[in-house]
Amino acid sequence: KAGVTQTPRYLIKTRGQQVTLSCSPISGHRSVSWYQQTPGQGLQFLFEYFSETQRNKGNFPGRFSGRQFSNSRSEMNVSTLELGDSALYLCASSFRIGNTGELFFGEGSRLTVL
Amino acid sequence: QQQVKQSPQSLIVQKGGIPIINCAYENTAFDYFPWYQQFPGKGPALLIAIRPDVSEKKEGRFTISFNKSAKQFSLHIMDSQPGDSATYFCAASNPSGSARQLTFGSGTQLTVLP
Repeated sequence: KAGVTQTPRYLIKTRGQQVTLSCSPISGHRSVSWYQQTPGQGLQFLFEYFSETQRNKGNFPGRFSGRQFSNSRSEMNVSTLELGDSALYLCASSFRIGNTGELFFGEGSRLTVL
Repeated sequence: QQQVKQSPQSLIVQKGGIPIINCAYENTAFDYFPWYQQFPGKGPALLIAIRPDVSEKKEGRFTISFNKSAKQFSLHIMDSQPGDSATYFCAASNPSGSARQLTFGSGTQLTVLP
């Protein structure tokens, strides 16, 4: 069974630009969560999607948004990039919402903002 | 109240040693406590998890000890091997409406010397 696939793996943007990251969950998994990982703040929850609806949202500004498609694939978008947005963005999938914490993570998309 | 405090930040042991990583939480609504292992360039992977109605859980060389009254839990790695060198994250999960989110500790970088 293929794991969680994230694209692109690496990208470099400049301040003010926007970026879209993509996540394909494990087949059959309907819940997709996004996390931001930085050396200073660690792993922080961004949002969770299930059945194309955002079910939970972390404490991030409105510049961070996401969506989920009918095939459970998800995208997240960051607009008006700031230097502090440089991070590893991790997508995680699970079978269903309300899971027990058994998330399966992808390898992440590493964003560098110059 | 949503924080999970993890210590130590880094840990170096000899092969065969028993590293212990500790975590503490405040939110009594947390009801599921997973540990994740992350190798460089990879996403976190679920290692072992415990619920608060159990005081200890073992899976292979990995053991979680849970102290509900103290709101603390810890990971022990028996007979540690160089291949265990990784970053370990404790986490706590609580239901939030119909959704769940994981609150992660800050991580412990473990090095097992050969």
